Amino acid sequence: NAGVTQTPKFRILKIGQSMTLQCTQDMNHNYMYWYRQDPGMGLKLIYYSVGAGITDKGEVPNGYNVSRSTTEDFPLRLELAAPSQTSVYFCASSYSSGREDGTQYFGPGTRLTVL
Amino acid sequence: DQQVKQNSPSLSVQEGRISILNCDYTNSMFDYFLWYKKYPAEGPTFLISISSIKDKNEDGRFTVFLNKSAKHLSLHIVPSQPGDSAVYFCAARAPMDSNYQLIWGAGTKLIIKP
Repeated sequence: NAGVTQTPKFRILKIGQSMTLQCTQDMNHNYMYWYRQDPGMGLKLIYYSVGAGITDKGEVPNGYNVSRSTTEDFPLRLELAAPSQTSVYFCASSYSSGREDGTQYFGPGTRLTVL
Repeated sequence: DQQVKQNSPSLSVQEGRISILNCDYTNSMFDYFLWYKKYPAEGPTFLISISSIKDKNEDGRFTVFLNKSAKHLSLHIVPSQPGDSAVYFCAARAPMDSNYQLIWGAGTKLIIKP
């Protein structure tokens, strides 16, 4: 049971380039999330998904896109990378329902630098 | 506006003593509160949680206290150990109409001194 895995671990992009951050979970969780963490700040929700085929915007969605074709995978797409997208990106998953406490399980993160 | 605040960016505690990390929130509709621990270059890991209908939850060396009237919760670690050095995040679960999203504080870096 690998939990939540993310690739790549590190990436340097040039301004205007695009890339996809991969996220996979093997816990059969319905809910999946993408966060970014900037230095000295808490986690900011970018997008989330409550199940395959369903996605919704979080607090900071601009400049990003997601898809959820399977329960396991939740890739995050960056189009036209900008320096403001330099951050550490975390993917997470959870069972999350009204009867659970919402515990989320995190991947190790992807450190992205845009120059 | 920040709905979940951790006002201490860092805290230094002697090994063996008690560590107390604090968290304040503004939304009375939050129904669960969670503490996560994060080591450098790793993702956050769940530590302990508390329902809004309780005022205390204990798990080994970790105890979380909730004061709903003050909209304040605290995490107590007793005794503090070197491996407890990490960043601690407080998170609150939003109600159903927000799809139970977690709202996060900025974190407190705990340093345990030998």
